[in-house]
Amino acid sequence: EVQLVESGGGLVQPGRSMKLSCAASGFTFSNYGMAWVRQAPTKGLEWVATISYDGSSTYYRDSVKGRFTISRDNAKSTLYLQMNSLRSEDTATYYCTREMLGAPFAYWGQGTLVTVSS
Amino acid sequence: DIQMTQSPPSLSASLGDKVTITCQASQNINKYIAWYQQKPGKAPRLLIRYTSTLESGTPSRFSGSGSGRDYSFSISNVESEDIASYYCLQYDNLPLTFGSGTKLEIK
Repeated sequence: EVQLVESGGGLVQPGRSMKLSCAASGFTFSNYGMAWVRQAPTKGLEWVATISYDGSSTYYRDSVKGRFTISRDNAKSTLYLQMNSLRSEDTATYYCTREMLGAPFAYWGQGTLVTVSS
Repeated sequence: DIQMTQSPPSLSASLGDKVTITCQASQNINKYIAWYQQKPGKAPRLLIRYTSTLESGTPSRFSGSGSGRDYSFSISNVESEDIASYYCLQYDNLPLTFGSGTKLEIK
């Protein structure tokens, strides 16, 4: 069974940094592209970043480019999202997702809430 | 960026009704649209990929269709467990973009 478990969320001040982790199990992590999707409180879904199966390619939405870094450790079956220079508009639940057969967000974790506030 | 215009924002249906949600893309997305269900407090769940391919475990009362810029998602014989929000997603081009969502309520 595919399992994705996020951690690392919490309250952080504007301008500070936070690193999210996603522990994957139940599948061969190194075979799949992964992504982060976020959802602000009571709002819709928003793609944040994607990384290829081997980490060689990464893609970001414009509003996080230069501030967020997606990475992976295939030996540890773990996905990361390093978030720097956080803004209030980054407040959201962040979901770790896995692709399957070309569909980008086929499996989802339970999400971790990041609150950016002073 | 491709904009996904999803309607209606909310739907109220009786049990057993058929409901339809539409998504219009700002350009041709070559059938690369998926549909997700999100129940309150839960992560989204992929129901349909590539316009009309049902995921394993998706009940057959769910369906999708469309081409070019215009796509639809239907639930026939709505059941109480279908109370949720539904989102479309285009994955033809980066940035991947979602529709704004449709909240389904039971009358």
